[in-house]
Amino acid sequence: EVKLVEYGGGLVQPGASLRLSCEASGFTFSDFYMEWIRQAPGKGLEWIAASRNKANDYSTVYSASVKDRFTISRDTYKSILYLQMNTLKPEDTAIYYCARDGDGTYYYPFAYWGQGTLVTVSS
Amino acid sequence: DIQMTQSPSFLSASVGDRVTLSCKASQNINKYLAWYQQKLGEAPKLLIYNANSLQTGIPSRFSGSGSGTDFTLTISSLQPEDVATYFCLQHNSWRTFGGGTKLELK
Repeated sequence: EVKLVEYGGGLVQPGASLRLSCEASGFTFSDFYMEWIRQAPGKGLEWIAASRNKANDYSTVYSASVKDRFTISRDTYKSILYLQMNTLKPEDTAIYYCARDGDGTYYYPFAYWGQGTLVTVSS
Repeated sequence: DIQMTQSPSFLSASVGDRVTLSCKASQNINKYLAWYQQKLGEAPKLLIYNANSLQTGIPSRFSGSGSGTDFTLTISSLQPEDVATYFCLQHNSWRTFGGGTKLELK
């Protein structure tokens, strides 16, 4: 069974850093695209970062809203996806979800989701 | 950047109704459009990808159609458990979500 469990969220002050983790199980972690999506309270979904699979050298892509502040990475031995978030702003307040593609390709997005972890940026 | 526009923003319908949700892309995205259902307090769930491919385990009353810039999600006979917010996602040029359609029972 595919399972994704996010953790690491919490309350931080503006300008602070935070690292989110997404522990994956039930599948071969290196075979799949892994991505982060966030949802501000009461708002819609926003894709923010992707880590391609091993076949694509784990290369990364970011949305304009987080590029140069957030970094997506993997620990392939532990099957953990990370999101390092720096210089946090109040507008980064959201539930952060990790998600996996359906078949190891770019064209089957977000077939599996974690339960999300809440990040609150406030003084 | 590709913009995705969903309509309507809110929809009220009765059990058994045929319901149609729309999603429009600001430029051609071929067939690369997915639909997600999000119930209150839960993570989204994939319903449809590549415009009309039904995700495993999703009831057949859900169907998708369209290509290019105009796409539709249809629920053939609305059930109480279908109350949710529905999001479209273009996955032609990375990912962009639409703003969502909130579906309620009349």
